[in-house]
Amino acid sequence: AQSVAQPEDQVNVAEGNPLTVKCTYSVSGNPYLFWYVQYPNRGLQFLLKYITGDNLVKGSYGFEAEFNKSQTSFHLKKPSALVSDSALYFCAVRGYGQNFVFGPGTRLSVLP
Amino acid sequence: SQTIHQWPATLVQPVGSPLSLECTVEGTSNPNLYWYRQAAGRGLQLLFYSVGIGQISSEVPQNLSASRPQDRQFILSSKKLLLSDSGFYLCAWIPLVTNTEAFFGQGTRLTVV
Repeated sequence: AQSVAQPEDQVNVAEGNPLTVKCTYSVSGNPYLFWYVQYPNRGLQFLLKYITGDNLVKGSYGFEAEFNKSQTSFHLKKPSALVSDSALYFCAVRGYGQNFVFGPGTRLSVLP
Repeated sequence: SQTIHQWPATLVQPVGSPLSLECTVEGTSNPNLYWYRQAAGRGLQLLFYSVGIGQISSEVPQNLSASRPQDRQFILSSKKLLLSDSGFYLCAWIPLVTNTEAFFGQGTRLTVV
């Protein structure tokens, strides 16, 4: 069965500092991995994905994520955080079949 | 361009009343369609998905049902709402051409009173 863990319920970072939001996954076969962001009372916005190829993938708004197969991780990163990055972040995995499995979400607060 | 529409944005319904939430996708054909529920602003629970007209798969037993009467239309329904049906409902679709990431509607905030 597919599963996604986001071990941190909340991440606080100062504006201008680098940020990391952690994600680990479990899936049979080669995974499709995704990060989404959600602002209050809105739908999820797609940030980036890993399908195949380079382990470091770049996405929207300066975010990037690193796929690590041996550690089954797909951590989201940004070199310099903005206050406007404060939101709820979801990691998701899609293995064999049509379904996505989402992690529980990590709330990111960027402090001015 | 490809877009997804979900309505209404907010809904307050009494216990025992029926429900119909609609989701439509424009600019594509034969998308995979999904209904999710998000409780308390955190995790997403997959309710239903559909790979074609009339093809509905249910992930969890519940008071809800889904239908896909047209290729780009996905409807979430209930005959009698329960208090526990309150939540944030999200429709999503996967374009057949990429078949990778999902795109989400803006959501419906349902409050059952």
